[in-house]
Amino acid sequence: KNEVEQSPQNLTAQEGEFITINCSYSVGISALHWLQQHPGGGIVSLFMLSSGKKKHGRLIATINIQEKHSSLHITASHPRDSAVYICAVGGPYGGSQGNLIFGKGTKLSVKP
Amino acid sequence: DTAVSQTPKYLVTQMGNDKSIKCEQNLGHDTMYWYKQDSKKFLKIMFSYNNKELIINETVPNRFSPKSPDKAHLNLHINSLELGDSAVYFCASSQGEGYGYTFGSGTRLTVV
Repeated sequence: KNEVEQSPQNLTAQEGEFITINCSYSVGISALHWLQQHPGGGIVSLFMLSSGKKKHGRLIATINIQEKHSSLHITASHPRDSAVYICAVGGPYGGSQGNLIFGKGTKLSVKP
Repeated sequence: DTAVSQTPKYLVTQMGNDKSIKCEQNLGHDTMYWYKQDSKKFLKIMFSYNNKELIINETVPNRFSPKSPDKAHLNLHINSLELGDSAVYFCASSQGEGYGYTFGSGTRLTVV
C-alpha cells in the first residue's frame, strides 16, 4: 500500500461540473502539496497546506490533519483544467529533509 | 526569467554512455532535488541536497551521482546508462521543509 493514495485514478467530467479529487496519507507530515502536470509534462505547484483550507481562483484545497485526508476541488471546470493532479506529502516523517512522497496522480479530462 | 531551468529538455543516448543533466535555480533556495518520473507517471525522490547535506534515496543505483558546484546548481550525472534509466527527470528547489516547491520543466531521457 502506498503511503499516499489518491482517488479516483481517472476522472472525466463535463465542462462546468464541480470536481473533487481525494488524497489520503498514512505518515506524519509537515505539509501536503497539490501539483498539476499538464500533457506537456511541466509540473506546477498549486497549493501547499498544513491545515484548513486554501482557495485560488476556481481551485480549493482542504486538509484534515486528524483524518490524514485532503481534497482538491475545482469549481466550474473547464477543458483547460485537463491535467494530472498529484498529491504529495512532505515533512519529518513523510519524507526526510523536505523530500516529497507522491501519490500516483489523478488524470482529469474535462469535455466541452 | 525561468526559476528552475533544466537542460537538455530531451536526451537520447545509447546504452553504456555517460550523460549529465543540468539544473539551475535563481530563487535563492537552500535545497534542491532530483525526482524521477517513470513510464507510469509515478514520481519518486532520487536526491535532496543543500549546502550541508546530501540525502540519497537508497533505491537509487550508484551510477547516478548529483554534483553541486554551488548553491544554485545541482547537476545529475549518470554513468553506464541502461535501458531502465529511460524516464523523465525533474529538478526542483525549495527553501526547505514546510516550504513550497518549484519544479523544472523536466528532461526526457531515452536510452536506446
